[in-house]
Amino acid sequence: DVKVTQSSRYLVKRTGEKVFLECVQDMDHENMFWYRQDPGLGLRLIYFSYDVKMKEKGDIPEGYSVSREKKERFSLILESASTNQTSMYLCASSPVVSSSTDTQYFGPGTRLTVL
Amino acid sequence: ILNVEQSPQSLHVQEGDSTNFTCSFPSSNFYALHWYRWETAKSPEALFVMTLNGDEKKKGRISATLNTKEGYSYLYIKGSQPEDSATYLCAYDTGRRALTFGSGTRLQVQP
Repeated sequence: DVKVTQSSRYLVKRTGEKVFLECVQDMDHENMFWYRQDPGLGLRLIYFSYDVKMKEKGDIPEGYSVSREKKERFSLILESASTNQTSMYLCASSPVVSSSTDTQYFGPGTRLTVL
Repeated sequence: ILNVEQSPQSLHVQEGDSTNFTCSFPSSNFYALHWYRWETAKSPEALFVMTLNGDEKKKGRISATLNTKEGYSYLYIKGSQPEDSATYLCAYDTGRRALTFGSGTRLQVQP
């Protein structure tokens, strides 16, 4: 069974704090993703990574950065948290399978509140 | 940004009812269409991946169809049960690794 874990289920931070959200997958997947989910907006892609030290911006990268130093770990960083970053953050991973489409496997999510 | 729309936004049905909802997506650059189920307090989990026009997939009481020419997919649930209560997400895949998700249909099945 693929397992994607996220460091916290709930997190409360103050405006201006630097926030790290960690994601770890145990299936040696090449691709990893960070999404945020807000009511009525669905999952929106923040960043993704297709290899160690490689990253690409998604649809809403502003205010975020990422780090992928090891294949199994993908970190989302909020350099200076703001209240509009209060959201549910989901991490996902997927293999690269040349003969098939790449199902994404999700973590349980981190609900971040910025006060 | 690609436009993927799901309707209705939410749905309340009685146990035993059959239901269906829609995902609309761009018909250009199509590679695949994914359906996920997201239960409260759990991780989204994959239901189907569909690639070919006319594809039909089935898993138990849940099935899905795909029309890539007109850009829509339907998800059907036959004889809904309370455990089917979840948000159902579709995601459009252009084959470039990242998916574009719709906003989901939230289904509540009353016992």
